[in-house]
Amino acid sequence: GENVGLHLPTLSVQEGDNSIINCAYSNSASDYFIWYKQESGKGPQFIIDIRSNMDKRQGQRVTVLLNKTVKHLSLQIAATQPGDSAVYFCAENYSGNTPLVFGKGTRLSVIA
Amino acid sequence: KAGVTQTPRYLIKTRGQQVTLSCSPISGHRSVSWYQQTPGQGLQFLFEYFSETQRNKGNFPGRFSGRQFSNSRSEMNVSTLELGDSALYLCASSPLGGTNEKLFFGSGTQLSVL
Repeated sequence: GENVGLHLPTLSVQEGDNSIINCAYSNSASDYFIWYKQESGKGPQFIIDIRSNMDKRQGQRVTVLLNKTVKHLSLQIAATQPGDSAVYFCAENYSGNTPLVFGKGTRLSVIA
Repeated sequence: KAGVTQTPRYLIKTRGQQVTLSCSPISGHRSVSWYQQTPGQGLQFLFEYFSETQRNKGNFPGRFSGRQFSNSRSEMNVSTLELGDSALYLCASSPLGGTNEKLFFGSGTQLSVL
């Protein structure tokens, strides 16, 4: 887990600012999407999910937006904190008992 | 509830050897999936087991195999290890493993092949 994300795009934000992490998904038939957070040395941790019949869903400090027209997913984190520093993955799923397919990930670095 | 437990946490092997990794899912979860994570390829799906049957398989060579026991615990095996098999191997469980069901991941087994 320590070497995960060596070559990932990085987003650097100031503590307290809002963060927006973007993801382009691959399959127009995908109908379920998840955002995961992975901290160093740990497995991916579920943050929030959204189904294709919605375009926005809010959680605690996080919002996921889904634009099916352009196959785009975004994760917004409000008032970013140092504990939010991690690699963030989007994942998609399409019907038919198929496995979750993960994006390459984005590293979020919070500057105190 | 205890989370997904993977053992061992770290493994060092040499080329040509074989390795077995273990995963205990969350209590009550019947589906176990395995993913390989590398810096270059990200998370790649290996296989999924449900009720002791392999239900889905990713695009990996036959050296990668797995099984699931009646208590839903799962093992994966890699034979004739290659340097490129060095990776973090993640196990994830879900209640039924169906579409539109989130996965709960363990912390992984970091495999280094020398």
